Amino acid sequence: AIRMTQSPSSLSASTGDRVTITCRASQGISSYLAWYQQKPGKAPKLLIYAASTLQSGVPSRFSGSGSGTDFTLTISCLQSEDFATYYCQQYYSYPITFGQGTRLEIK
Amino acid sequence: QVQLQESGPGLVKPSETLSLTCAVSGYSISSGYYWGWIRQPPGKGLEWIGSIYHSGSTYYNPSLKSRVTISVDTSKNQFSLKLSSVTAADTAVYYCARQVRGIAVAGTWVDYWGQGTLVTVSS
Repeated sequence: AIRMTQSPSSLSASTGDRVTITCRASQGISSYLAWYQQKPGKAPKLLIYAASTLQSGVPSRFSGSGSGTDFTLTISCLQSEDFATYYCQQYYSYPITFGQGTRLEIK
Repeated sequence: QVQLQESGPGLVKPSETLSLTCAVSGYSISSGYYWGWIRQPPGKGLEWIGSIYHSGSTYYNPSLKSRVTISVDTSKNQFSLKLSSVTAADTAVYYCARQVRGIAVAGTWVDYWGQGTLVTVSS
C-alpha cells in the first residue's frame, strides 16, 4: 500500500496567516491526490482533487500543488472557520490511503 | 443535492457481525459513481474499508478483505456494509460516501460523505 505522510502533524497559526501543509507519498502517484478538511464531530469535506483542482464552492484561498511524491495544501489568508484537521488521500492505486492528518490550531 | 445517511446498530458484541446501511437521496446509485465505506477510530485518522460500483464490482482494503462484504440494492437506492468477527479495534465512526473515479486510474476520491455513525464493539 502507498503510505501518505503529512507534515507537520499539528500547526498553530493566526487569522490572516498563510499556511502550508505538506503531504508525501511513498511512491509516485502522479497528480492523483485529494485534500479534505474535517471539523470536530463532522464528516470530512472535499477541498481539492487532482492535486490542484478546487472543488466547487471551496473558497479560493485554498490551493493545492505538486505531483509525483510531494504535494502541498496552502491556505493563503486564514479565516476562523479554517481551523480544523486536514487530510490528504491518494487514489492512484488501491488500497486508497490517507495521510495521518494535520491539525491546524489557533495561536 | 446528494445526501447519504448511515443506519445500523451503535453497539455490536465482539466476534459478531457489524451491519450498516447507507441510504442515498438526490442521486440514483444505478446512474454511476462508486459507493464506499470509510471509518475513523475515535481520535484517529481515516481508513478506507471498501467500495462498490453500481454494477456490483467491489474493491476492498486488503487489511479487512477477509471480513468485509459491501453490497448494493439499486431498487432501494442504498448500499450496505458487513464486517464480521469484530473486535474492539473495529470501534469507529463509520462513514458512507460517494466516490469519484480518477481519470485513467481505478482509485477514487470522495465528493459526498454521510454524517457518520459511531459503532462501538463491546460486550
